[in-house]
Order: sequence, then structure tokens, then C-alpha cells
Amino acid sequence: GAGVSQSPSNKVTEKGKDVELRCDPISGHTALYWYRQSLGQGLEFLIYFQGNSAPDKSGLPSDRFSAERTGGSVSTLTIQRTQQEDSAVYLCASSPVSSGNTIYFGEGSWLTVV
Amino acid sequence: TQLLEQSPQFLSIQEGENLTVYCNSSSVFSSLQWYRQEPGEGPVLLVTVVTGGEVKKLKRLTFQFGDARKDSSLHITAAQPGDTGLYLCAGVLTSGTYKYIFGTGTRLKVLA
Repeated sequence: GAGVSQSPSNKVTEKGKDVELRCDPISGHTALYWYRQSLGQGLEFLIYFQGNSAPDKSGLPSDRFSAERTGGSVSTLTIQRTQQEDSAVYLCASSPVSSGNTIYFGEGSWLTVV
Repeated sequence: TQLLEQSPQFLSIQEGENLTVYCNSSSVFSSLQWYRQEPGEGPVLLVTVVTGGEVKKLKRLTFQFGDARKDSSLHITAAQPGDTGLYLCAGVLTSGTYKYIFGTGTRLKVLA
């Protein structure tokens, strides 16, 4: 596609439920990033993929968070047993190579845990 | 520990005024980028600076990368209401990691 596409754009879920957030990067981009942004705040790095591999998962807040990428393209961020503090915008971004290049963001998935 | 500190955090000014936003770190970055984010959207890249001392201009916006590549500034001349948004700086560490470190953000509101 023309840009990074994320779904759902908005998700309201009950505490304790699992959620999956999807990211379709720009075609041909090998690097894919997940960030989290709390209301009005800066971006918190979660995880980075180079192809299907995730060399750095250090940003994932807890073991309730996991992510995978298949076919060097689509990525899914899964949050298990959601908590209210998980409420945030989850932003996906992609870039052509792993560092030093422009990264392009999607519009984000707004997650609200009630 | 926040690697990139931005100041001010919030700024509300009148149309036509000038302003400067700062992005500071104790770490050296191989490149630094500035983004603007509007409500409900992802950040959009404004500029990338890679050389210490580099100055780039984008219409009324002037970006500068510090000589030591530890800091950067964004200056807006004659601010317009359309400049309203969240401004974020982001850097790639000199070690060549892939991890883009984002600043704390500056929320700018330009009043007509």
C-alpha cells in the first residue's frame, strides 16, 4: 500500500481480555517498529523487526506483550490479560533499512482498557 | 532515563510570533529527526539532520544540529495556527542501532 496501515484504528476492551493489533508496513520495507504513546506524551519503543526477526524486544513492558512478523510483511502485536495501564496509542512504523533512514508511521491503534 | 529531553513541554503563542524548541541529550546521535504529530495521526517526518553543525530550512522552519551531535533546535518564524501540533525529535545513536529514541515532545498551540 501507499502507507503504513494499522488496524483496528480504535479498540475498547475489558480488563483481562486479550487484544491483537495489526500492522501492514509499506511494501518492501524490511524494518518494522512498534511504539506506544500515552495521551499527549512522547513515543516509547516497544520492539523492532528486521525481516521476521526481532533482535531487540527489550522495550516490551511485560511478558503479557508479544509480537510477531510473518513473510517479512505483516506484524501483529498481542497484549494478553489487558490492564488499564495498557491504554495508549500503539504506533507502527516501517523503514527501508535498519538504521539511519526515514521511518514512516501509521495512524496508530487507539486502545482503551475499561 | 530519558535520553532526549525536549523543552519547553508546552508552548502557547500568538500568530506571528517566533519560537524555538530544544532537544537535548548527553548522548551522541548519528542522525536526528524532527516530526510533527497532529491529533489522531501518526508522527510525520519534517527533516533529518546528520552532520554536526548542520542547518536546514523548511519554509518558516529552521533546524539545527549541534556541533557535537548531542542536541538540536527547531525555530519557527512567524508562527501560524497550522503549525499547531506535537513536535518530536528522534535520534539514532552513534553506535548504529536501529532504535529510534524519541524525545519527550513539545506541544505547540498557535492562537489566531
